[in-house]
Amino acid sequence: GDSVTQMEGPVTLSEEAFLTINCTYTATGYPSLFWYVQYPGEGLQLLLKATKADDKGSNKGFEATYRKETTSFHLEKGSVQVSDSAVYFCALSATGGSARQLTFGSGTQLTVLP
Amino acid sequence: GAVVSQHPSWVICKSGTSVKIECRSLDFQATTMFWYRQFPKQSLMLMATSNEGSKATYEQGVEKDKFLINHASLTLSTLTVTSAHPEDSSFYICSARSRQHEKLFFGSGTQLSVL
Repeated sequence: GDSVTQMEGPVTLSEEAFLTINCTYTATGYPSLFWYVQYPGEGLQLLLKATKADDKGSNKGFEATYRKETTSFHLEKGSVQVSDSAVYFCALSATGGSARQLTFGSGTQLTVLP
Repeated sequence: GAVVSQHPSWVICKSGTSVKIECRSLDFQATTMFWYRQFPKQSLMLMATSNEGSKATYEQGVEKDKFLINHASLTLSTLTVTSAHPEDSSFYICSARSRQHEKLFFGSGTQLSVL
């Protein structure tokens, strides 16, 4: 079945450091890929997405590129801020499945120190 | 933006009791709601999909008699964990899809601890 594997946390960085959170997936066909973010006390929010190979999703300084050859969708940000502290979830939505049934990774806790 | 309210955010209960978790879409009509469960260091796993006015569809391995889902209105779905046991301790989260949009909106989750 479909699965998502993401980098285990927690990850602790200093402000302005470079961030990478790795995510790889296993799926048949051509899934859509997502990164969700959960800030403390809030629900998951869609951060960015990519729907086909070589697409780059971007939002709030975060980027992720859909790499079919490596089945990856790594999340990157050039300079993190304290306000980026949150849990980040990588997810996929398989083609042909019920719309918006997502398969999630286990989440990565990011803490950014001032 | 659209908001999904999930309550309670955490609950502690004794083994054998039942716990109800509510998921409300505050400013949109949710035709479909999803319930997920996450054990420590594991993925969010889909438990069931509920459509307003019909019975929920449960994923393989999820006991429908233990995890009762009611989606009686377009703004409210409830998950009741019946006769809870310590192994049911987990993080439960709901999401809702609006009638107009394909986007999913998530609740903030409920941490259940069964003693």
